[in-house]
Amino acid sequence: GENVEQHPSTLSVQEGDSAVIKCTYSDSASNYFPWYKQELGKRPQLIIDIRSNVGEKKDQRIAVTLNKTAKHFSLHITETQPEDSAVYFCAASRNQGGKLIFGQGTELSVKP
Amino acid sequence: DAGITQSPRHKVTETGTPVTLRCHQTENHRYMYWYRQDPGHGLRLIHYSYGVKDTDKGEVSDGYSVSRSKTEDFLLTLESATSSQTSVYFCAISDPGSGGPTDTQYFGPGTRLTVL
Repeated sequence: GENVEQHPSTLSVQEGDSAVIKCTYSDSASNYFPWYKQELGKRPQLIIDIRSNVGEKKDQRIAVTLNKTAKHFSLHITETQPEDSAVYFCAASRNQGGKLIFGQGTELSVKP
Repeated sequence: DAGITQSPRHKVTETGTPVTLRCHQTENHRYMYWYRQDPGHGLRLIHYSYGVKDTDKGEVSDGYSVSRSKTEDFLLTLESATSSQTSVYFCAISDPGSGGPTDTQYFGPGTRLTVL
Protein backbone atom coordinates (compact mmCIF):
# COMPACT_ATOMS: atom_id res chain seq x y z
CA GLY A 1 0.00 0.00 0.00
CA GLU A 2 0.93 3.66 0.08
CA ASN A 3 3.84 4.42 2.35
CA VAL A 4 6.02 7.37 3.37
CA GLU A 5 9.39 6.74 4.99
CA GLN A 6 11.02 9.57 6.95
CA HIS A 7 14.62 9.87 8.16
CA PRO A 8 16.21 10.48 10.54
CA SER A 9 13.91 9.79 13.49
CA THR A 10 15.96 12.13 15.70
CA LEU A 11 18.25 14.99 14.74
CA SER A 12 20.34 17.18 17.02
CA VAL A 13 22.08 20.31 15.71
CA GLN A 14 23.80 23.34 17.15
CA GLU A 15 22.06 26.69 16.93
CA GLY A 16 22.90 28.33 13.61
CA ASP A 17 23.56 25.07 11.79
CA SER A 18 21.36 23.65 9.04
CA ALA A 19 19.00 20.69 9.42
CA VAL A 20 17.81 18.37 6.67
CA ILE A 21 14.97 15.84 6.93
CA LYS A 22 14.29 13.41 4.09
CA CYS A 23 11.17 11.52 3.03
CA THR A 24 10.56 8.87 0.40
CA TYR A 25 7.10 7.99 -0.92
CA SER A 26 5.87 4.86 -2.66
CA ASP A 27 2.83 6.07 -4.64
CA SER A 28 4.03 7.55 -7.92
CA ALA A 29 0.64 9.29 -8.32
CA SER A 30 1.29 11.46 -5.24
CA ASN A 31 1.23 15.13 -6.18
CA TYR A 32 1.06 17.11 -2.94
CA PHE A 33 3.71 17.09 -0.20
CA PRO A 34 3.16 19.10 3.01
CA TRP A 35 5.42 19.43 6.03
CA TYR A 36 4.04 19.87 9.54
CA LYS A 37 5.72 21.03 12.74
CA GLN A 38 4.37 19.77 16.05
CA GLU A 39 5.47 21.19 19.37
CA LEU A 40 4.99 19.15 22.52
CA GLY A 41 1.32 18.85 23.43
CA LYS A 42 0.20 20.93 20.44
CA ARG A 43 -1.50 20.25 17.14
CA PRO A 44 0.50 19.72 13.92
CA GLN A 45 0.95 23.04 12.12
CA LEU A 46 1.57 23.31 8.38
CA ILE A 47 4.89 25.06 7.75
CA ILE A 48 5.41 24.58 4.03
CA ASP A 49 4.11 22.46 1.17
CA ILE A 50 5.03 21.69 -2.41
CA ARG A 51 3.14 20.37 -5.39
CA SER A 52 4.45 18.03 -8.05
CA ASN A 53 4.75 20.70 -10.72
CA VAL A 54 7.43 22.50 -8.67
CA GLY A 55 10.95 21.31 -7.81
CA GLU A 56 11.73 23.66 -4.93
CA LYS A 57 9.96 26.12 -2.69
CA LYS A 58 11.39 28.50 -0.09
CA ASP A 59 9.91 30.48 2.76
CA GLN A 60 12.51 32.46 4.70
CA ARG A 61 14.71 29.90 6.51
CA ILE A 62 12.69 26.90 5.33
CA ALA A 63 12.88 25.20 1.95
CA VAL A 64 11.48 22.00 0.48
CA THR A 65 12.85 20.16 -2.54
CA LEU A 66 11.10 17.47 -4.58
CA ASN A 67 12.61 14.82 -6.83
CA LYS A 68 9.72 13.10 -8.58
CA THR A 69 11.92 10.65 -10.44
CA ALA A 70 13.43 9.33 -7.23
CA LYS A 71 10.17 9.81 -5.31
CA HIS A 72 11.73 11.73 -2.47
CA PHE A 73 11.41 15.16 -0.95
CA SER A 74 13.34 16.99 1.74
CA LEU A 75 12.92 19.77 4.27
CA HIS A 76 15.83 22.15 4.77
CA ILE A 77 16.02 24.53 7.73
CA THR A 78 18.87 27.03 7.72
CA GLU A 79 20.22 29.10 10.61
CA THR A 80 18.40 26.94 13.11
CA GLN A 81 17.13 28.46 16.34
CA PRO A 82 16.08 26.83 19.64
CA GLU A 83 12.43 27.53 18.79
CA ASP A 84 12.80 25.25 15.77
CA SER A 85 12.97 22.33 18.23
CA ALA A 86 9.89 20.17 17.58
CA VAL A 87 8.73 17.03 15.80
CA TYR A 88 8.47 17.44 12.03
CA PHE A 89 6.23 15.28 9.84
CA CYS A 90 6.23 14.90 6.09
CA ALA A 91 3.19 13.65 4.20
CA ALA A 92 2.05 12.81 0.69
CA SER A 93 -1.31 12.86 -1.05
CA ARG A 94 -2.49 11.89 -4.53
CA ASN A 95 -5.75 13.78 -4.91
CA GLN A 96 -7.58 16.79 -3.63
CA GLY A 97 -9.58 16.20 -0.48
CA GLY A 98 -8.06 12.76 -0.19
CA LYS A 99 -5.87 10.91 2.21
CA LEU A 100 -2.62 12.26 3.58
CA ILE A 101 -0.06 9.53 4.27
CA PHE A 102 2.35 10.67 6.97
CA GLY A 103 5.94 9.78 7.69
CA GLN A 104 6.87 8.62 11.18
CA GLY A 105 8.23 11.97 12.28
CA THR A 106 11.65 13.51 13.08
CA GLU A 107 12.38 14.95 16.49
CA LEU A 108 14.61 17.96 15.93
CA SER A 109 16.59 19.37 18.84
CA VAL A 110 18.45 22.67 18.40
CA LYS A 111 21.01 23.22 21.13
CA PRO A 112 21.88 26.81 22.10
CA ASP B 1 -6.82 27.75 13.64
CA ALA B 2 -9.45 27.38 10.86
CA GLY B 3 -12.29 27.42 13.41
CA ILE B 4 -11.89 23.80 14.53
CA THR B 5 -12.73 22.59 18.03
CA GLN B 6 -12.68 19.10 19.49
CA SER B 7 -14.53 17.75 22.50
CA PRO B 8 -13.76 16.41 24.94
CA ARG B 9 -10.09 17.39 25.10
CA HIS B 10 -9.29 14.62 27.57
CA LYS B 11 -11.17 11.44 28.40
CA VAL B 12 -10.47 8.38 30.51
CA THR B 13 -12.76 5.42 30.00
CA GLU B 14 -12.89 1.70 30.64
CA THR B 15 -12.54 -1.18 28.22
CA GLY B 16 -15.84 -2.13 26.61
CA THR B 17 -17.56 1.24 26.98
CA PRO B 18 -18.73 3.29 23.99
CA VAL B 19 -16.98 6.60 23.36
CA THR B 20 -17.87 9.44 20.98
CA LEU B 21 -15.49 12.23 20.07
CA ARG B 22 -16.76 15.37 18.40
CA CYS B 23 -15.12 17.64 15.86
CA HIS B 24 -16.85 20.96 15.24
CA GLN B 25 -15.97 23.55 12.58
CA THR B 26 -17.48 26.93 11.93
CA GLU B 27 -16.26 27.79 8.42
CA ASN B 28 -18.26 25.45 6.18
CA HIS B 29 -15.32 23.22 5.22
CA ARG B 30 -16.31 20.40 2.95
CA TYR B 31 -13.72 17.79 3.93
CA MET B 32 -13.17 16.53 7.47
CA TYR B 33 -10.79 13.84 8.77
CA TRP B 34 -10.07 11.82 11.88
CA TYR B 35 -6.48 10.76 12.65
CA ARG B 36 -4.88 8.99 15.54
CA GLN B 37 -1.34 9.72 16.68
CA ASP B 38 0.82 7.13 18.41
CA PRO B 39 4.56 7.16 19.16
CA GLY B 40 6.56 5.75 16.26
CA HIS B 41 3.58 5.80 13.87
CA GLY B 42 3.09 9.44 13.06
CA LEU B 43 -0.50 10.29 12.20
CA ARG B 44 -2.73 7.63 10.69
CA LEU B 45 -6.06 8.29 9.01
CA ILE B 46 -9.07 6.57 10.57
CA HIS B 47 -12.02 7.87 8.51
CA TYR B 48 -12.77 10.94 6.46
CA SER B 49 -15.80 12.74 5.07
CA TYR B 50 -16.21 14.58 1.79
CA GLY B 51 -19.68 15.95 2.54
CA VAL B 52 -22.77 15.48 4.67
CA LYS B 53 -23.49 11.74 4.99
CA ASP B 54 -20.50 10.97 2.71
CA THR B 55 -17.72 9.13 4.51
CA ASP B 56 -14.94 6.69 3.67
CA LYS B 57 -12.43 4.53 5.50
CA GLY B 58 -8.81 5.36 6.13
CA GLU B 59 -5.89 3.04 6.88
CA VAL B 60 -6.85 2.15 10.49
CA SER B 61 -10.67 2.12 10.48
CA ASP B 62 -11.31 -1.17 12.32
CA GLY B 63 -13.14 -0.58 15.60
CA TYR B 64 -14.23 2.95 14.63
CA SER B 65 -17.32 4.42 13.01
CA VAL B 66 -18.13 7.98 11.98
CA SER B 67 -21.13 10.10 11.20
CA ARG B 68 -21.65 13.47 9.61
CA SER B 69 -25.28 14.57 9.68
CA LYS B 70 -24.46 18.27 9.21
CA THR B 71 -21.56 20.16 7.69
CA GLU B 72 -20.13 21.48 10.94
CA ASP B 73 -19.92 18.24 12.96
CA PHE B 74 -17.94 15.04 12.36
CA LEU B 75 -18.32 12.41 15.08
CA LEU B 76 -15.95 9.52 15.76
CA THR B 77 -17.37 6.59 17.73
CA LEU B 78 -15.59 3.72 19.39
CA GLU B 79 -18.43 1.22 19.86
CA SER B 80 -16.55 -0.80 22.48
CA ALA B 81 -13.28 0.82 23.49
CA THR B 82 -10.14 -1.29 23.84
CA SER B 83 -6.76 -0.45 25.38
CA SER B 84 -5.20 -0.42 21.90
CA GLN B 85 -7.35 2.62 21.13
CA THR B 86 -5.58 4.68 23.77
CA SER B 87 -4.18 7.50 21.66
CA VAL B 88 -4.34 11.16 20.78
CA TYR B 89 -7.06 11.82 18.22
CA PHE B 90 -6.87 14.76 15.83
CA CYS B 91 -9.58 16.09 13.61
CA ALA B 92 -8.60 17.96 10.44
CA ILE B 93 -10.32 19.93 7.73
CA SER B 94 -9.51 20.96 4.20
CA ASP B 95 -11.15 23.26 1.66
CA PRO B 96 -10.82 26.34 3.83
CA GLY B 97 -13.42 28.19 1.84
CA SER B 98 -11.03 30.86 0.65
CA GLY B 99 -10.78 29.44 -2.84
CA GLY B 100 -7.56 27.68 -1.95
CA PRO B 101 -6.67 24.11 -2.85
CA THR B 102 -8.62 21.36 -1.19
CA ASP B 103 -5.67 19.19 -0.25
CA THR B 104 -4.20 21.49 2.42
CA GLN B 105 -5.27 20.12 5.81
CA TYR B 106 -5.50 22.01 9.10
CA PHE B 107 -5.71 20.26 12.44
CA GLY B 108 -7.84 20.68 15.52
CA PRO B 109 -6.35 20.80 19.04
CA GLY B 110 -6.64 17.04 19.66
CA THR B 111 -8.34 14.73 22.17
CA ARG B 112 -6.29 12.57 24.50
CA LEU B 113 -8.16 9.30 25.10
CA THR B 114 -7.08 6.74 27.68
CA VAL B 115 -8.79 3.35 27.77
CA LEU B 116 -8.13 1.44 31.01
